[in-house]
Amino acid sequence: AQKVTQAQTEISVVEKEDVTLDCVYETRDTTYYLFWYKQPPSGELVFLIRRNSFDEQNEISGRYSWNFQKSTSSFNFTITASQVVDSAVYFCALSATGNQFYFGTGTSLTVIP
Amino acid sequence: DAMVIQNPRYQVTQFGKPVTLSCSQTLNHNVMYWYQQKSSQAPKLLFHYYDKDFNNEADTPDNFQSRRPNTSFCFLDIRSPGLGDAAMYLCATSRQGGRYNEQFFGPGTRLTVL
Repeated sequence: AQKVTQAQTEISVVEKEDVTLDCVYETRDTTYYLFWYKQPPSGELVFLIRRNSFDEQNEISGRYSWNFQKSTSSFNFTITASQVVDSAVYFCALSATGNQFYFGTGTSLTVIP
Repeated sequence: DAMVIQNPRYQVTQFGKPVTLSCSQTLNHNVMYWYQQKSSQAPKLLFHYYDKDFNNEADTPDNFQSRRPNTSFCFLDIRSPGLGDAAMYLCATSRQGGRYNEQFFGPGTRLTVL
């Protein structure tokens, strides 16, 4: 069975603070992909990153960074020096057997100016 | 800009009155998906087309149908909407159907059932 858990339902931070969004996944497949999407109030899910199961290197893109650890089945997302424009719902997703995306329930991030 | 377009953005219908939601894409992707997203929940896959091949999720109600007349367009038909069908409906595309392909989403259509 495939499953993604985002235990943090809502997070509020003050602007310029760092924030980490947690994602834990379950799969029996050895080949899988993990994704993060951002859903701003406008509703459109915006693709942020894809990571395959064989690449555990952390990745940094500007203020965004991702920490993939197979040992704990986690793929966490950190925003450094948060900004008001980062306010959105963030979804973690898993794609494995059957090619379907399994989304977590999302974390709603509010950045307070 | 290449994109996924959904019309209308907001749709109001009456209980039991058929409704059609539209999705078009300029990305020339092979795969198109329809998701249902209820408030504070994850998007739930209803069905997808790999080119012309239709793939229905096992738990998608019969009330939901889809058509893909060509590569660019895909429609979601709800034959007899119930109050429980009120949700955001998201259309997405991917270049191919493999697990590595990111999906590109449209802005969604918010459906209200009165």
